[in-house]
Amino acid sequence: KAGVTQTPRYLIKTRGQQVTLSCSPISGHRSVSWYQQTPGQGLQFLFEYFSETQRNKGNFPGRFSGRQFSNSRSEMNVSTLELGDSALYLCASSLEGSEQYFGPGTRLTVT
Amino acid sequence: EDQVTQSPEALRLQEGESSSLNCSYTVSGLRGLFWYRQDPGKGPEFLFTLYSAGEEKEKERLKATLTKKESFLHITAPKPEDSATYLCAVQAPGGGSQGNLIFGKGTKLSVKP
Repeated sequence: KAGVTQTPRYLIKTRGQQVTLSCSPISGHRSVSWYQQTPGQGLQFLFEYFSETQRNKGNFPGRFSGRQFSNSRSEMNVSTLELGDSALYLCASSLEGSEQYFGPGTRLTVT
Repeated sequence: EDQVTQSPEALRLQEGESSSLNCSYTVSGLRGLFWYRQDPGKGPEFLFTLYSAGEEKEKERLKATLTKKESFLHITAPKPEDSATYLCAVQAPGGGSQGNLIFGKGTKLSVKP
């Protein structure tokens, strides 16, 4: 069974630009969550989607948004990038009520 | 405030030297505690889920235990391939799913041959 895939794996953007990251969950998983990982703050929850609906949202500014499609694939968007947005963005999928499985992440560097 | 604290931040062991990693949590009404392993440049890999005090789970050289305030990850006779960062997380209260986790900052384990 294929794992969670994320594209692109690496991305370099300039401050002020916007970026879209993509996540394809494990087949059959309808829950997709996004996390930001930085050396200082560790892993922090961004949001969770289930059946195309945002179910939970973390404490991040409105520049961070996401969506989920009918095939459970998910995207997250960050607008007006700031230097502090440089991080590893991780996507995780799960069956309802079960543990999460993480993708390899997208490494975003903002210059 | 709900919080997860892991100690030590870093741990160096000789191959075969058993030890334990600690995860203490302050969350009202624990609904699940999770252990993950993360290798450099990769996403976290699921290890265990614990739900209630007294519960234990084992996998190869790893054993996770849970009390009302903390969890331990015991590593017996570790090998160099056990070197990784071990992350502990709890399910955030309020939401109905396991898709919202509060993570500790991890323990970086190095096992020398």
